[in-house]
Amino acid sequence: DIQMTQSPSTLSASVGDRVTITCRASQSVSSWLAWYQQKPGKPPKLLIYKASTLESGVPSRFSGSGSGTEFTLTVSSLQPDDFATYYCQQYDSSPTFGRGTIVEIK
Amino acid sequence: EVQLVESGGGLVQPGGSLRLSCAASGFTFGSYAMNWVRQAPGKGLEWVSAISGSGGSTYYADSVKGRFTISRDNSKNTIYVQMNTLRAEDTAIYYCAKCRYGTDSFDIWGQGTMVTVSS
Repeated sequence: DIQMTQSPSTLSASVGDRVTITCRASQSVSSWLAWYQQKPGKPPKLLIYKASTLESGVPSRFSGSGSGTEFTLTVSSLQPDDFATYYCQQYDSSPTFGRGTIVEIK
Repeated sequence: EVQLVESGGGLVQPGGSLRLSCAASGFTFGSYAMNWVRQAPGKGLEWVSAISGSGGSTYYADSVKGRFTISRDNSKNTIYVQMNTLRAEDTAIYYCAKCRYGTDSFDIWGQGTMVTVSS
């Protein structure tokens, strides 16, 4: 299985901050990578697929980049609704997820 | 409205069985692959199983292979997972998730159903 490593595991930030989360794959997944946001007690929500394509309805402050083994999710200006846990997922082979990054209020 | 609704969760003893269902609405069900993804309490996400739109192809995580069986009934817009020989480590919220067309990212998720394996 392809292992996905996210960093950091926890990120403390303030409203208005630019934040970046990194996801590394144990082998190349080309651009077959997605990002999800999950809030407590809720299912995950798809934000980005194919590494950089924004899902319909997702605010443009979210962006994704990367290919191969290294990917990033960036929130250009953090909003109160963005405090949540974020997961990356590869789908080049049997899907695997990163362990998640908790974005908390500083 | 596009919607997925899971049911069938509950408390089961180790070694027992359970069948989960996921009813879909609001999209052309048979055109999409569907998945089960689980989340143990306080933990991350784990893909469990997938089934093609026709039902002709199925896929499993190693952790459930040989114990879980995914199926679908396109006439009822429903997928199922039959879970046998359940273990404590199968305790989780089980989510049904729809594949985004042309990808294996998951664009629609149900609210989940809790499965607890305990004596």
